Amino acid sequence: AQSVSQHNHHVILSEAASLELGCNYSYGGTVNLFWYVQYPGQHLQLLLKYFSGDPLVKGIKGFEAEFITSKFSFNLRKPSVQWSDTAEYFCAVNTPRDSSYKLIFGSGTRLLVRP
Amino acid sequence: NAGVMQNPRHLVRRRGQEARLRCSPMKGHSHVYWYRQLPEEGLKFMVYLQKENIIDESGMPKERFSAEFPKEGPSILRIQQVVRGDSAAYFCASSPPEGNTGELFFGEGSRLTVL
Repeated sequence: AQSVSQHNHHVILSEAASLELGCNYSYGGTVNLFWYVQYPGQHLQLLLKYFSGDPLVKGIKGFEAEFITSKFSFNLRKPSVQWSDTAEYFCAVNTPRDSSYKLIFGSGTRLLVRP
Repeated sequence: NAGVMQNPRHLVRRRGQEARLRCSPMKGHSHVYWYRQLPEEGLKFMVYLQKENIIDESGMPKERFSAEFPKEGPSILRIQQVVRGDSAAYFCASSPPEGNTGELFFGEGSRLTVL
């Protein structure tokens, strides 16, 4: 069965600091990878996604993620965070072999950015 | 996106009562997913439905939980004889019928509290 691990449950940074949130998945076949963000009081929204091609994916708001096949990882990065990036971040995976394309989520990382 | 509508946003029930959560997908979307988020945990897949069909219910508890997505009207997640452990946020997501890759559009969630 697929699973997703996010090792950092809580991260606190000051503005302008660099961010890297870890995500590892367990599945041996082809996967699609996602990062979703949930700002306080809002719904989950897609930050970026990887289906194929360039393993370095650019998303909205200056975020990017790199898919490293050998490490089964899809870490999220941002060179300089802002206070408005305070949110909960979820890594998710699915596989085309599952016709339902359901997403399997990690447990999330809560990011607090201090002004 | 505000396209996926869930109601009620907050629901309080006493043990043994029934809870009904409704989800209207984005316009043009015919695939609906339900997820549950327990406190301090990630989103757990419950069920995937298309119009009038349950496609994947591998994440649904065996008893007391049911879901439907009728030809007309919203999708409904029904929890009978609620217990305290059912207290959680229930999220609905939808996706378009063509080229489904698992990129989901989420509602703002329904928060169930069981007293």
